[in-house]
Amino acid sequence: GENVEQHPSTLSVQEGDSAVIKCTYSDSASNYFPWYKQELGKRPQLIIDIRSNVGEKKDQRIAVTLNKTAKHFSLHITETQPEDSAVYFCAAVYSGAGSYQLTFGKGTKLSVIP
Amino acid sequence: SQTIHQWPATLVQPVGSPLSLECTVEGTSNPNLYWYRQAAGRGLQLLFYSVGIGQISSEVPQNLSASRPQDRQFILSSKKLLLSDSGFYLCAWSQRGPYEQYFGPGTRLTVT
Repeated sequence: GENVEQHPSTLSVQEGDSAVIKCTYSDSASNYFPWYKQELGKRPQLIIDIRSNVGEKKDQRIAVTLNKTAKHFSLHITETQPEDSAVYFCAAVYSGAGSYQLTFGKGTKLSVIP
Repeated sequence: SQTIHQWPATLVQPVGSPLSLECTVEGTSNPNLYWYRQAAGRGLQLLFYSVGIGQISSEVPQNLSASRPQDRQFILSSKKLLLSDSGFYLCAWSQRGPYEQYFGPGTRLTVT
């Protein structure tokens, strides 16, 4: 199966600075990589995703990069704001038995200090 | 648009009692359905997934079971809860294929 490693587990940044979260995956056949944001006590929400035929994708202050050769992908948040504080999960798709399962990283707790 | 519902939102149950959590999806057909558990401050653990009615796959051996009696209904059950079953239970759905999963609001279960 797939294995996803995520670093760092915690990250503190000053408001306005950038934050970078990195993930690696093991299955070279994985071709879909979403990122989720989970605020305290709430459900994970999809914030951005990338497919294997794309190297980078941006959505306002959020960007994701993918290096298929090295099997790693990263989330970049620029001009961080206090409302960006949350736990972020990366994931990689794993295909098995007709179902496309997401394997999640263990999460990064991002704290943005005003 | 698609909507996913879960109930109850919170539940406090004694050890050894049964459990039934329900998840329903609206606005789509033939979805893949998933049950996850999240312990406090931890990541997402996939418990079960289903690609169709009556088709359930288990990822982790445990005292929980799942059923899919209808296309857009997914139920998580237990005959006897353990303390270690406490956690935040999330149902999710996705279209068939390598697509994003959308999570329900979750059920917070406390086993006492």
